[in-house]
Amino acid sequence: ETGVTQTPRHLVMGMTNKKSLKCEQHLGHNAMYWYKQSAKKPLELMFVYSLEERVENNSVPSRFSPECPNSSHLFLHLHTLQPEDSALYLCASSQRGGNEQFFGPGTRLTVL
Amino acid sequence: AQKVTQAQTEISVVEKEDVTLDCVYETRDTTYYLFWYKQPPSGELVFLIRRNSFDEQNEISGRYSWNFQKSTSSFNFTITASQVVDSAVYFCALSEAWGSGNTGKLIFGQGTTLQVKP
Repeated sequence: ETGVTQTPRHLVMGMTNKKSLKCEQHLGHNAMYWYKQSAKKPLELMFVYSLEERVENNSVPSRFSPECPNSSHLFLHLHTLQPEDSALYLCASSQRGGNEQFFGPGTRLTVL
Repeated sequence: AQKVTQAQTEISVVEKEDVTLDCVYETRDTTYYLFWYKQPPSGELVFLIRRNSFDEQNEISGRYSWNFQKSTSSFNFTITASQVVDSAVYFCALSEAWGSGNTGKLIFGQGTTLQVKP
């Protein structure tokens, strides 16, 4: 595997379900990010992890819970979501210091 | 506060035409970074270019060129001799330097949808 991978690519869940999104980077980077892209809003940052420590939470509701067990893996745990949470969730990684972020293919989430 | 504005929501051109995508940014920092990303229908964001605030040299890469002007806070992107494969959403983005509470997050513009017709 190369670059940034995300699984699953598509996910449909009910509002009472619990699911997790997974991201893995194979680039040796030390920072990872979750972004949300919905139809009505531009790409917006959700969380930033640097050296496995969460350094930014962009006022994201607690029904989204990130986890970064090591520098290569990032998870987004989902529970009790709302239909308006339906969106494309993108993971990215970079080296700290203003370097470009490399994105995964995203997970298309639909909440019924 | 940081902000990126891409005033052009959609652009439609015919193949082989040149097209310029506009990007205007706002930041109070003296050190910052500007990016362009391409998002084809598949959804994945593809990195195109990164410039730092101290490097105003324009750059050309094949049919792509970028014009960075600090005086007007603009970072425009031109595609020469456009092709159908250039059809995508293009995002301009801004990030601050890490440190002093900054985390290198990308602030994106709204995106410009480019359609190149054969």
